[in-house]
Amino acid sequence: DARVTQTPRDKVTEMGQEVTMRCQPILGHNTVFWYRQTMMQGLELLAYFRNRAPLDDSGMPKDRFSAEMPDATLATLKIQPSEPRDSAVYFCASGLVGGETQYFGPGTRLLVL
Amino acid sequence: DAKTTQPPSMDCAEGRAANLPCNHSTISGNEYVYWYRQIHSQGPQYIIHGLKNNETNEMASLIITEDRKSSTLILPHATLRDTAVYYCIVRTRSSGNTPLVFGKGTRLSVIA
Repeated sequence: DARVTQTPRDKVTEMGQEVTMRCQPILGHNTVFWYRQTMMQGLELLAYFRNRAPLDDSGMPKDRFSAEMPDATLATLKIQPSEPRDSAVYFCASGLVGGETQYFGPGTRLLVL
Repeated sequence: DAKTTQPPSMDCAEGRAANLPCNHSTISGNEYVYWYRQIHSQGPQYIIHGLKNNETNEMASLIITEDRKSSTLILPHATLRDTAVYYCIVRTRSSGNTPLVFGKGTRLSVIA
């Protein structure tokens, strides 16, 4: 049963520290999404990639967030420096270009103190 | 993409059908209706989608009105495991797999 995996599942860090979240999309999926979920804002898109190329990262604070796909099996989301307002659950999802569905990972729960 | 309106919460007795409504009065001709759900502490999960015909799969049925301005997701025999937030999303079907725009959804509580 193919699944999207995300690491770490939980992360507690102090303000100012760098945070790196990783996502392994389903093998063969060529579209990868990063979403963030907070109580106030709900689920919102941060960035997405097609064939490893970034298509839209307008949802990310550019000064502190960066998203990359070093290869087809790994997507990373980095926050440097982290701030308490970044506390949220970060979801990665993958799908096929032209596909109807997105498959979500279990999320990384981030708490910035 | 067209905006959707859903009730914030609903209850359903276990074993009964759960009918979750969604209004999308500004939907355009090339927009599909998608349903996802999010069980507590998990990522969203695709349920079903449709354009204008009713659709059924192993999880649920989707009924879209003839004018396409509203739809209903039906879980025929709700179980406790169906307790989740259900999101109705209207989205243009394009050649790419484009991002989902989530609203607040409906929190369904299935009660024993």
